[in-house]
Amino acid sequence: DSGVTQTPKHLITATGQRVTLRCSPRSGDLSVYWYQQSLDQGLQFLIQYYNGEERAKGNILERFSAQQFPDLHSELNLSSLELGDSALYFCASSVPRGGSGEQFFGPGTRLTVL
Amino acid sequence: DQQVKQNSPSLSVQEGRISILNCDYTNSMFDYFLWYKKYPAEGPTFLISISSIKDKNEDGRFTVFLNKSAKHLSLHIVPSQPGDSAVYFCAALIQGAQKLVFGQGTRLTINP
Repeated sequence: DSGVTQTPKHLITATGQRVTLRCSPRSGDLSVYWYQQSLDQGLQFLIQYYNGEERAKGNILERFSAQQFPDLHSELNLSSLELGDSALYFCASSVPRGGSGEQFFGPGTRLTVL
Repeated sequence: DQQVKQNSPSLSVQEGRISILNCDYTNSMFDYFLWYKKYPAEGPTFLISISSIKDKNEDGRFTVFLNKSAKHLSLHIVPSQPGDSAVYFCAALIQGAQKLVFGQGTRLTINP
């Protein structure tokens, strides 16, 4: 158990809909990262938040947005969903600074868009 | 632009033998390289990392070797055990940027 929690575990929805994925980082971690893993692909970095502020952006679509709240949990919002958005979405957290860049991953949310 | 590549999608090894997983990268600015292990229906789990200023790091049965001139790293697992069967991801990061760049993963199967 990494200490990072994600809900829901599975999500099935239809094209055009909007969903919200939730992540709680490990106690004490200020950084939260979101990654997308499509079928048989590596994890693609989407976005990072540090202590409530957006810190880095990767290949995140304009239809997607995220935020980190004062209690440090984060939400990833996916709207106008398309079939190609079906994927595993992982959240990770890390220590505030330094270290070897080790990130601790949650169990993921499997999104299926029908 | 695939900055981190794992060219072998799968690898099969006999129990007790050595497993060698390979990874190549293109960006010479990476400061750290990490290996993650992933079981089905779980998130990736950190295994071992290496700084770009080192050429070897060892932790129990796991050793990572870094060859900067060849932009190549490898993970050695000795001896391999059935519980090692999983997908292994190589990842890299630039200190400060903090985002991990992942390879596509290699599925390791340990045969009894």
